[in-house]
Amino acid sequence: SQTIHQWPATLVQPVGSPLSLECTVEGTSNPNLYWYRQAAGRGLQLLFYSVGIGQISSEVPQNLSASRPQDRQFILSSKKLLLSDSGFYLCAWSLNEGYTFGSGTRLTVV
Amino acid sequence: AQKITQTQPGMFVQEKEAVTLDCTYDTSDPSYGLFWYKQPSSGEMIFLIYQGSYDQQNATEGRYSLNFQKARKSANLVISASQLGDSAMYFCAMREGGTSGSRLTFGEGTQLTVNP
Repeated sequence: SQTIHQWPATLVQPVGSPLSLECTVEGTSNPNLYWYRQAAGRGLQLLFYSVGIGQISSEVPQNLSASRPQDRQFILSSKKLLLSDSGFYLCAWSLNEGYTFGSGTRLTVV
Repeated sequence: AQKITQTQPGMFVQEKEAVTLDCTYDTSDPSYGLFWYKQPSSGEMIFLIYQGSYDQQNATEGRYSLNFQKARKSANLVISASQLGDSAMYFCAMREGGTSGSRLTFGEGTQLTVNP
């Protein structure tokens, strides 16, 4: 069966520090992968999506970047975090109709 | 312009009663899909129900049904026989076009509270 792993679950980072969030998918090949961010009490905003290795599309200009070094691995990064980067980050994958989300990372930038 | 609009920031319902959560959408693509997700306080996104734009019948999944009115561009979620565990944030989402590389656009959500 397909599973999606996302870590860490929570993260507190100082302003100006780097960030690396990892998401891996098991049990499927060549999935579409997505990074979403959710501000408190708000909907999900798509940050990046990928249809294949090395293929990244950015939805909004921001302080973040994404990479897909392997078929089932999707990484969200930042060189220097801003206070505004705080939020709940969700990775998701899709194949055909369905979309499955990871358990999320709650990032607090202090 | 908002592609997904959920006009009810909060809703309250008595246990065992039915509740309707509103969702309207905006697209010019003839092929699209509509989704509802539940997000409890833990943050996980739980898929509830899906409706394709070409589906002739309204989708149903257990206590969840989707009232799909294509001409009005609405896709309301109906939860029958509410349970205390239904208290959560509910999101409507839309996928436009084909499935390859398509991404979901979410509404702002409705916070549902089920009272005993």
